[in-house]
Amino acid sequence: GESVGLHLPTLSVQEGDNSIINCAYSNSASDYFIWYKQESGKGPQFIIDIRSNMDKRQGQRVTVLLNKTVKHLSLQIAATQPGDSAVYFCAETLGGSQGNLIFGKGTKLSVKP
Amino acid sequence: DAGVTQSPTHLIKTRGQQVTLRCSPKSGHDTVSWYQQALGQGPQFIFQYYEEEERQRGNFPDRFSGHQFPNYSSELNVNALLLGDSALYLCASSLGGGGAWKTQYFGPGTRLLVL
Repeated sequence: GESVGLHLPTLSVQEGDNSIINCAYSNSASDYFIWYKQESGKGPQFIIDIRSNMDKRQGQRVTVLLNKTVKHLSLQIAATQPGDSAVYFCAETLGGSQGNLIFGKGTKLSVKP
Repeated sequence: DAGVTQSPTHLIKTRGQQVTLRCSPKSGHDTVSWYQQALGQGPQFIFQYYEEEERQRGNFPDRFSGHQFPNYSSELNVNALLLGDSALYLCASSLGGGGAWKTQYFGPGTRLLVL
């Protein structure tokens, strides 16, 4: 069936280092892949998305890579800052699903000063 | 420019009761989606409203129902509450009724506790 999961539940990095958060998906029909950041007590905040016909997309300090061969998605955060500490979710949406998101369980990123 | 707002922020109910949660979408948005997020889990899609109609539904029982008003705001109703309904209920808004992905912006959520 369709699923979105994450390889690591927690990730601890030093401030200033780069972070890489990984995600696996199983549905080849997924149309878009999206990363959200959720801070404690808040709703998910959109970070970046990538369409299935792309393999890389860059934003401000973030890069998303999509490897359809192995059904793997990653979020790279450059020069990680304490404000980046949060739970990161990858999500997918299926073609023709009119936009409902299927979320994974999340990775908790902790940034050490 | 106001983002997505939800009310109330917290709610405590007992088993068997009914609850109504409210959502106002981001300015200019016309589509509202509802999600349930259990503690330590990712959000799960409940349903999506567009043009005052339920357009798509996730794997949730009929106890979960909703409504969208002409001003695009929305309500989520849950009847016959169960302990397992305790969760953070998130509303997300987006623009456009087409089939392609449109960025969904989430509100802060309503924390529901069922005793």
